[in-house]
Amino acid sequence: TQLLEQSPQFLSIQEGENLTVYCNSSSVFSSLQWYRQEPGEGPVLLVTVVTGGEVKKLKRLTFQFGDARKDSSLHITAAQPGDTGLYLCAGYRTYKYIFGTGTRLKVLA
Amino acid sequence: EAGVAQSPRYKIIEKRQSVAFWCNPISGHATLYWYQQILGQGPKLLIQFQNNGVVDDSQLPKDRFSAERLKGVDSTLKIQPAKLEDSAVYLCASSLDHFPARTDTQYFGPGTRLTVL
Repeated sequence: TQLLEQSPQFLSIQEGENLTVYCNSSSVFSSLQWYRQEPGEGPVLLVTVVTGGEVKKLKRLTFQFGDARKDSSLHITAAQPGDTGLYLCAGYRTYKYIFGTGTRLKVLA
Repeated sequence: EAGVAQSPRYKIIEKRQSVAFWCNPISGHATLYWYQQILGQGPKLLIQFQNNGVVDDSQLPKDRFSAERLKGVDSTLKIQPAKLEDSAVYLCASSLDHFPARTDTQYFGPGTRLTVL
């Protein structure tokens, strides 16, 4: 059972475009993390959000936790080829992190 | 600071054979995780250790998978016998046990890519 659904599953955009990735669930999470994973490597943590409605910014990346702590979004402004990778959300619930289905992003130069 | 080490990086076996993966977490990290990641999907937690005790193994197929964490440091994950559907990347991660745990950071190793023929 996949508790966290991400959309879109795949995204191919041109350099300079903006994009938003969504992470949705019917369950409430104590916190939510976003990771980026590049081919042949393990995921690397980008951010942790813990409060409903919380917004965090990391350079061109903006993360938001839903008010009800059931969903989250990742917005990238002016995407660059270096943003290419698999983006994963992970929600903390019952003492463990549950990963989402993943969004594969490709930014073309 | 050295990261999470895993070996081997790649393994190809025939179905019904056995295989073992090794993980050395970051020094001082109390919690160790093993995940299975099918190509293009999110990681699925197989087992979580805190020191040398098991916290969660609810998704570990115990008829064929086993894991141990000796002395609360290194860990091995074994599959015996392997099936075709076990083809995946096996990721090991560790965390410091930050309080509260919901803000803990997992540090992942590069993974072992297993192909079962």
